[in-house]
Amino acid sequence: KAGVTQTPRYLIKTRGQQVTLSCSPISGHRSVSWYQQTPGQGLQFLFEYFSETQRNKGNFPGRFSGRQFSNSRSEMNVSTLELGDSALYLCASSLGDGGGTDTQYFGPGTRLTVL
Amino acid sequence: QKEVEQNSGPLSVPEGAIASLNCTYSDRGSQSFFWYRQYSGKSPELIMFIYSNGDKEDGRFTAQLNKASQYVSLLIRDSQPSDSATYLCAVPPSGTYKYIFGTGTRLKVLA
Repeated sequence: KAGVTQTPRYLIKTRGQQVTLSCSPISGHRSVSWYQQTPGQGLQFLFEYFSETQRNKGNFPGRFSGRQFSNSRSEMNVSTLELGDSALYLCASSLGDGGGTDTQYFGPGTRLTVL
Repeated sequence: QKEVEQNSGPLSVPEGAIASLNCTYSDRGSQSFFWYRQYSGKSPELIMFIYSNGDKEDGRFTAQLNKASQYVSLLIRDSQPSDSATYLCAVPPSGTYKYIFGTGTRLKVLA
């Protein structure tokens, strides 16, 4: 089975621009979660989608948004980029029906650099 | 109090020794607990999960859970230099579909 894929793997943007990141989950997985990882804050939860619905949202400003398509693929968007948005953005997929017992599998991540 | 706490390390152990990594959590309602390993520049990979009090073994890895003390640990037996990485503890708060991660413990296995 193919793993979680994320595109692009690396991205360089300038302040004020917007960016869209994509995630394709493991086949059969219906839940996609997004995390931001920085050296200072560690892994921080952004949001989780299941069957095209956002079920959980982390404490990030409204500039961070996401969506999920009917084939479970997900995108996240960051508008009006700030220097502090430079991070590794990780997508994780899971079956989505196990509640807190669901196991999440991570993709390789997208490294975003904001200049 | 942080929701999930880990000692950041680094924890240095000699090759062949047992490495003990600890994690405490604040939500008494949490039901499942996950350990991930993350090599520098890579994404987290799942090592194991545990739901019930007690020990769970998988090869050289043993997870230990004590819900009364809100404590979960990971033991790595016969540590190898290739085990050198950051180990992340993840705990989904009750009633949610998200993981809360600890800051991770950096492990160094010295050859």
